Amino acid sequence: EVQLVESGGGLVQPGGSLRLSCAASGFTVSSNYMSWVRQAPGKGLEWVSVIYSGGSTYYADSVKGRFTISRDNSKNTLYLQMNSLRAEDTAVYYCAREWNGVSYFDYWGQGTLVTVSS
Amino acid sequence: SYVLTQPPSVSVAPGKTARITCGGNNIGSKSVHWYQQKPGQAPVLVIYYDSDRPSGIPERFSGSNSGNTATLTISRVEAGDEADYYCQVWDSSSDHQVFGGGTKLTVL
Repeated sequence: EVQLVESGGGLVQPGGSLRLSCAASGFTVSSNYMSWVRQAPGKGLEWVSVIYSGGSTYYADSVKGRFTISRDNSKNTLYLQMNSLRAEDTAVYYCAREWNGVSYFDYWGQGTLVTVSS
Repeated sequence: SYVLTQPPSVSVAPGKTARITCGGNNIGSKSVHWYQQKPGQAPVLVIYYDSDRPSGIPERFSGSNSGNTATLTISRVEAGDEADYYCQVWDSSSDHQVFGGGTKLTVL
């Protein structure tokens, strides 16, 4: 059974850093395209970043230069390193698997809440 | 960057048909996917590749895509269909996934 479990969210001050983790089971992270998608309170879904099976990475303009997506193949885990955090980064962050390359998101985690506030 | 436009809200009486649109420049040339999200839950895929339905999704859910508009149609709407719905495409020009702003479906 495919499962994605996020962790690492919490309260952080503006300008601070946080690293989110997404532990996968039932499939191999490195063989799939994996994304982070966030949702600010009361707002819609916003795609954040993707890492392709070949290792290429892409970022939304809103986070480029501040966030870094990566994976640990030995732990079958996806990460999102978030630096220089801003109030507008406050959101629930979901990891999601893209089916068969660039297409739709077939599996989602339950999400982890990041709150950026002083 | 590619923009997807959805109506903020759609209301429908039980048993009737709800249509949720997703507008984008020549969206008919792209593959559109639709998600349902209920409060406090992660999104769930309800339609992929314009009109395909994942296993476990009722046949009442269908999709179409042509020209500048993709449409999610929910027939014989039930109270349990009340949720937010999002369309999604991949923008090949930027290698970015794009979501519509979401539509809140209210069952009257």
